Amino acid sequence: QVQLVESGGGVVEPGRSLRLSCAASGFTLSSYGMHWVRQAPGKGLEWVAIIWFDENDTRYADSVKGRFTVSRDISKNTLYLEMDSLRAEDTAVYYCAREVPGVGPDYWGQGTLVTVSS
Amino acid sequence: DVVMTQSPLSLPVTLGQPASISCRSSQSLVHSDGNTYLNWFQQRPGQSPRRLIYKVSNRDSGVPDRFSGSGSGTDFTLKISRVEAEDVGVYYCMQGTQWPPWTFGQGTKVEIK
Repeated sequence: QVQLVESGGGVVEPGRSLRLSCAASGFTLSSYGMHWVRQAPGKGLEWVAIIWFDENDTRYADSVKGRFTVSRDISKNTLYLEMDSLRAEDTAVYYCAREVPGVGPDYWGQGTLVTVSS
Repeated sequence: DVVMTQSPLSLPVTLGQPASISCRSSQSLVHSDGNTYLNWFQQRPGQSPRRLIYKVSNRDSGVPDRFSGSGSGTDFTLKISRVEAEDVGVYYCMQGTQWPPWTFGQGTKVEIK
């Protein structure tokens, strides 16, 4: 069955970097788009980024453009989110979610918490 | 960007009674392909979001038939015919017609009176 497991969250100082991972099973990453969506503590959902079938086709929210990079490793069937120049406002639970074109995000991971604090 | 506005933001409901959540978009969600990419998600306390409805009115596998979605253009509704205790949580609408970005409503918290 489809499963998404995020990892890599933790506490990081402002200005530093962190890489999140999302291990996929039950399907092949290259056959789907993959989102990153975040949720600040006690707040709503905010879309962050997507990588499409063509790994060079990536899109970002304005709030993270130029600082975050989404990528994938097909051999490991794993999605990544490289986060640079982190700010306090990036503090959130980060979810990966599978995108089925024409249908939208269907499966979501359990999330990983990133806390940006000195 | 398309702004999604939900109402109410808080919805106390009596068990067994119906509930209705409204979602309005700042622009039409009808895509050039004729489809309307409006989804509804449920997030129970401490859990990840779970999709309930896609393309306005299509229920996902395993979603109870007490959940239904309707609407068109810029005006959409999620209805729960008879609220059960397991329906407590926050409900979000999300548009996937005009992207990037994909945008969510603020969320509606459903609780039992």
